[in-house]
Amino acid sequence: DQQVKQNSPSLSVQEGRISILNCDYTNSMFDYFLWYKKYPAEGPTFLISISSIKDKNEDGRFTVFLNKSAKHLSLHIVPSQPGDSAVYFCAAPLPSGGYQKVTFGTGTKLQVIP
Amino acid sequence: EPEVTQTPSHQVTQMGQEVILRCVPISNHLYFYWYRQILGQKVEFLVSFYNNEISEKSEIFDDQFSVERPDGSNFTLKIRSTKLEDSAMYFCASSADNSPLHFGNGTRLTVT
Repeated sequence: DQQVKQNSPSLSVQEGRISILNCDYTNSMFDYFLWYKKYPAEGPTFLISISSIKDKNEDGRFTVFLNKSAKHLSLHIVPSQPGDSAVYFCAAPLPSGGYQKVTFGTGTKLQVIP
Repeated sequence: EPEVTQTPSHQVTQMGQEVILRCVPISNHLYFYWYRQILGQKVEFLVSFYNNEISEKSEIFDDQFSVERPDGSNFTLKIRSTKLEDSAMYFCASSADNSPLHFGNGTRLTVT
């Protein structure tokens, strides 16, 4: 049951350029969405979230856009830095879940090339 | 910055054996979780724990699994009789009320 889908397993971007990571979802009842970042041999780290009542949330170099009609969200990283190289997961709350009980996408591995 | 710590980082066990994965959540957090990631698959919710009891569990979390908070600092996941398909990375996480998860670095469980 893939309620949250990330169709691109990997992405390569030049340092300084924009990275765009995409995520699609099937459940229109999700109240919000989250992005997590994961480095090898570490656990996921919370990056940014967006409420379903908004269409954009920005935090420094990271911006998440939500298109509810398309059931699509994207994470933009501008400018991309080599330290951004990681696996990025989008996530959404499970039924009766809050920020904590979430379903994750399969992840997109971002490589930022110096 | 406080962090969630997990031990061991890698556990190898034989099929049918019991394993206990250990976690020390962030000290002022009240909510505790286990997630797992089978190689090549997505991170999956297993169980949440609050006020010394399970608050929610997924269908993966069957009778072979149990969780415990034996003292004021540790949070453990026990698998009674391991199966090959239990091989995965197990992540412990904790959170304050209505705030995102803080994950540990995981325990890689290999069942042979």
